[in-house]
Formats: sequence, C-alpha cells, structure tokens
Amino acid sequence: DTGVSQDPRHKITKRGQNVTFRCDPISEHNRLYWYRQTLGQGPEFLTYFQNEAQLEKSRLLSDRFSAERPKGSFSTLEIQRTEQGDSAMYLCATGNSNEQFFGPGTRLTVL
Amino acid sequence: AQSVTQPDIHITVSEGASLELRCNYSYGATPYLFWYVQSPGQGLQLLLKYFSGDTLVQGIKGFEAEFKRSQSSFNLRKPSVHWSDAAEYFCAVPDNYGQNFVFGPGTRLSVLP
Repeated sequence: DTGVSQDPRHKITKRGQNVTFRCDPISEHNRLYWYRQTLGQGPEFLTYFQNEAQLEKSRLLSDRFSAERPKGSFSTLEIQRTEQGDSAMYLCATGNSNEQFFGPGTRLTVL
Repeated sequence: AQSVTQPDIHITVSEGASLELRCNYSYGATPYLFWYVQSPGQGLQLLLKYFSGDTLVQGIKGFEAEFKRSQSSFNLRKPSVHWSDAAEYFCAVPDNYGQNFVFGPGTRLSVLP
C-alpha cells in the first residue's frame, strides 16, 4: 500500500455517459499526476497538479476530460460523453520527478 | 523527446532460474531511471531507481539493475525467480522537463513451477 487511494476501483458505463474518478494522495506530496494505461501498454501521462494548480496537460487529454484538485488535496478526473476508446486503467500518482507513488487505479469499461 | 524501449514483450522463466529484463532509453543527459512492477489489476510499485553514483543499484524483492551509459541501458536482474514475481515490469525515465514519467511498454513475466 503506497498511501495513494483511488475510488472507484472499477467502473462500467455505457457510451455517452459521464464518469468521475477520485484520487486521495499522500498528504505531504504537493504534486499529483494522472496517467492512463491501456491493455498491454505502459502508463501514459495525462496531466499533473502542483498543489491546486494544473500545470501541464498531455495532448491525450481531449476536451471531454477535465481534472481538478480544488484544495490541493484530493483530485478528480471527469470524462464526459464517454467513448469505447476511453476504456483503460486510470492511475493516480503523487511525488515528483525523483519518485512517484501510484494508487491502485480505476479500471473503466465503456460498453 | 525521451523514450523508453523494452524489447521483450513477454518472458517465461522457470522458478529458481535467473532473470534479466531489458530496458533501453533515449535521453539527452544522464537520466534518472526507474523500474516498476505491476501485479494484475494493481497499481505500480517502485522496485528500484538510479540517480547517480554506483551503476549497480539494489532494489526490493531481491532485484538489481545496472546502468550502462555506453549502451543506454538499465537492465533489471534477479538471480533466482520466485513464482510471486510473475507480473508486468515497466522501465521509466522523467520527461524532458522532469515533470512526469515516460514509461516503456512493459515486459510481462511468467514463472513456470
């Protein structure tokens, strides 16, 4: 257990629905990252926060995706109008470029 | 841009045999290098990391890795594999700006009894 928790662990939704995931980081870590991992691939960077500020977004983060970290603590990742291609594991991590601690992930299945 | 290759998609070894997983990177300077392990349906756990100094790095669970600048490699090794080592292994480097990690595609390890 790294101390990073994610909720829910699994989410099944129908195409077109909105979904929201939550990440609770290690409290003393200022940086929080979101990654996406598809089957058979390594994690791909989506976005990261320094405290409450979202400092970088990958081109993978389409306008259907939005992330927030309102008080610099927990973070949410919302996907609107889900598509089948959004099916993946969504991983949250905290730390910095020296080390990142990953949560267990949320597996999204879009039917 | 930084990149990481892991040439072996899937490796099968017998329990008790030695293991070497390959990782090659593309990076402008001396990189920070990481190996993570992921069990099925789980998040990633850090095995070991290299920042500088001794090129042979010891990690958890009996793993070690050797940084070879001349070969742009950071191969992971274990002298005797246990059945519980069956998992997916990922090599990673920080991106250009050191803000996030770039991961390789992973190597899936299967262990035969």
